[in-house]
Amino acid sequence: EAGVAQSPRYKIIEKRQSVAFWCNPISGHATLYWYQQILGQGPKLLIQFQNNGVVDDSQLPKDRFSAERLKGVDSTLKIQPAKLEDSAVYLCASSLDRLYSPYIYSQYFGPGTRLTVL
Amino acid sequence: AQSVAQPEDQVNVAEGNPLTVKCTYSVSGNPYLFWYVQYPNRGLQFLLKYITGDNLVKGSYGFEAEFNKSQTSFHLKKPSALVSDSALYFCAVRDNNNAGNMLTFGGGTRLMVKP
Repeated sequence: EAGVAQSPRYKIIEKRQSVAFWCNPISGHATLYWYQQILGQGPKLLIQFQNNGVVDDSQLPKDRFSAERLKGVDSTLKIQPAKLEDSAVYLCASSLDRLYSPYIYSQYFGPGTRLTVL
Repeated sequence: AQSVAQPEDQVNVAEGNPLTVKCTYSVSGNPYLFWYVQYPNRGLQFLLKYITGDNLVKGSYGFEAEFNKSQTSFHLKKPSALVSDSALYFCAVRDNNNAGNMLTFGGGTRLMVKP
């Protein structure tokens, strides 16, 4: 079974530039998550989708971050414009979880995209 | 609100010795608890989870974790550590009142296993 795919693996940009990350979840996984992991910290959820709908984006800095999952499969996360403090690893994860379902599934993570903002 | 604490930034253990990585949590309802491991330049890999039932949960690579409701803890354990277990370990919690499936992660504990 193929895992969660992410690209690019590394990106270096200057502040105020734009950047986009791509994620392809495990086939059949309805729920997709984007996390930000700053060096030395645990991952922090930015946004969660179920199919093509947003479930939770309460921690997404919406003035500069946006994300979409138009067809309910792959997803893109964009930062525009980037700030120095956005330097982090951006992790995508997917799971079989569904809202209000009694079943609890594990999240499976991609390798991440390491973003450096200069 | 849900939260997780991993009180140790780093745990050092000799190869062959037992290891414990500590985790405590706070939720309003009942907890769903997870452990993940992260190797350098890799994403997080799922180790094990506690949903309900037996308090001792067995997972991948010989790891296990013990759920203790009275102490609100979910410590990760392994009877005999390997050098290859050296990595960053994250505990995560989800409140069963959270219909959105949101996971909250601890800050991580670096495990160093020395030969």
